[in-house]
Amino acid sequence: GQSLEQPSEVTAVEGAIVQINCTYQTSGFYGLSWYQQHDGGAPTFLSYNALDGLEETGRFSSFLSRSDSYGYLLLQELQMKDSASYFCAVKGSGSARQLTFGSGTQLTVLP
Amino acid sequence: EAGVTQFPSHSVIEKGQTVTLRCDPISGHDNLYWYRRVMGKEIKFLLHFVKESKQDESGMPNNRFLAERTGGTYSTLKVQPAELEDSGVYFCASSQVSSGANVLTFGAGSRLTVL
Repeated sequence: GQSLEQPSEVTAVEGAIVQINCTYQTSGFYGLSWYQQHDGGAPTFLSYNALDGLEETGRFSSFLSRSDSYGYLLLQELQMKDSASYFCAVKGSGSARQLTFGSGTQLTVLP
Repeated sequence: EAGVTQFPSHSVIEKGQTVTLRCDPISGHDNLYWYRRVMGKEIKFLLHFVKESKQDESGMPNNRFLAERTGGTYSTLKVQPAELEDSGVYFCASSQVSSGANVLTFGAGSRLTVL
């Protein structure tokens, strides 16, 4: 089956940089995604990595190492509005072809 | 462009009752997914429609759950009879065929509380 591990909580201060790690196990591999969810809101798509390396989108970057079954989400110049839950998700093949999510990392940004 | 809309946003029912959740996907999105998050755990896959056809229902927990997508537009998820362990947030998501399950647009969820 599939499984993902990510820290349950991370706390940082405004303006800082934070890295949220995600390790995964899956049958086949078609990509690692990141979603952000504010309390009571819809999970929203942040990034998708199918190949190794770093993808940058504004203050957010996502990294993937397929050989290590590992990825991370990097948030720079943290703002209060970045306080939210962040989910990594992996898409595999066969019986694992649906997007499987981790348990989420609750990020708290302090002033 | 309207997003994915779910109704109701919150439902409180007693064990043994029936609840029907509705999802209106983004217009033109043939893929429609149902997910559930229980007690702050992972968001778990329930099933996947392509238009009106069930493509994958491997995540449905048991036969008390019935999903439909008549006409390939909106979808409903019925829980009958509801049990305590069915409490959680039920998310609907949709995507275009081209993006598959790589980029999903989620609704805000329907929070179900079974007493």
